[in-house]
Amino acid sequence: AQTVTQSQPEMSVQEAETVTLSCTYDTSESDYYLFWYKQPPSRQMILVIRQEAYKQQNATENRFSVNFQKAAKSFSLKISDSQLGDAAMYFCAYRGGRLGNEKLTFGTGTRLTIIP
Amino acid sequence: DTAVSQTPKYLVTQMGNDKSIKCEQNLGHDTMYWYKQDSKKFLKIMFSYNNKELIINETVPNRFSPKSPDKAHLNLHINSLELGDSAVYFCASSPTSGRGSKTQYFGPGTRLLVL
Repeated sequence: AQTVTQSQPEMSVQEAETVTLSCTYDTSESDYYLFWYKQPPSRQMILVIRQEAYKQQNATENRFSVNFQKAAKSFSLKISDSQLGDAAMYFCAYRGGRLGNEKLTFGTGTRLTIIP
Repeated sequence: DTAVSQTPKYLVTQMGNDKSIKCEQNLGHDTMYWYKQDSKKFLKIMFSYNNKELIINETVPNRFSPKSPDKAHLNLHINSLELGDSAVYFCASSPTSGRGSKTQYFGPGTRLLVL
């Protein structure tokens, strides 16, 4: 079974600074997808970024980028120029590539606080 | 123009009651899911339906019964509610092909409180 580990229950960063959230996963599959979701106090689950395992290039979405290390099974999220609106729980998630394995397996989350 | 919607957003009920949560998506996706988020914020898959067919059932008690009347709807019915059912329930959907495939889009969640 796949597992996802987020070892930082809480992180804080000064506004406008950069922060990196860690995520590692365990799988025997070669085809899979990785995601970061953000959950602000409104509790809505918002997709931040996604990475296909077959792509070597790290995904980026504006101020958000990932460092995907397939051999190390590591998938960290970097947030540049942190803003107050970035304060939220961040969840790393894994999705297998084969049919019938469409579920997301989530990590336990990292609560990110932005210090003004 | 809500993509994935759930009703109700909040549900407070007594132990032993039966309740339903409805989910609708207008994205044209063919796969829908139910997830449960417990008090520690941990999210876990409950069910997945593809084109109205059950694909995933993650050892959920049979008091929980999903129903998919069509591709755009996946409802969750819970019988004989227990205190431990208190949680936030999220519906999600994803396309199986095309742009954005494999990505799941979530509804706003339904907070269920069993007293």
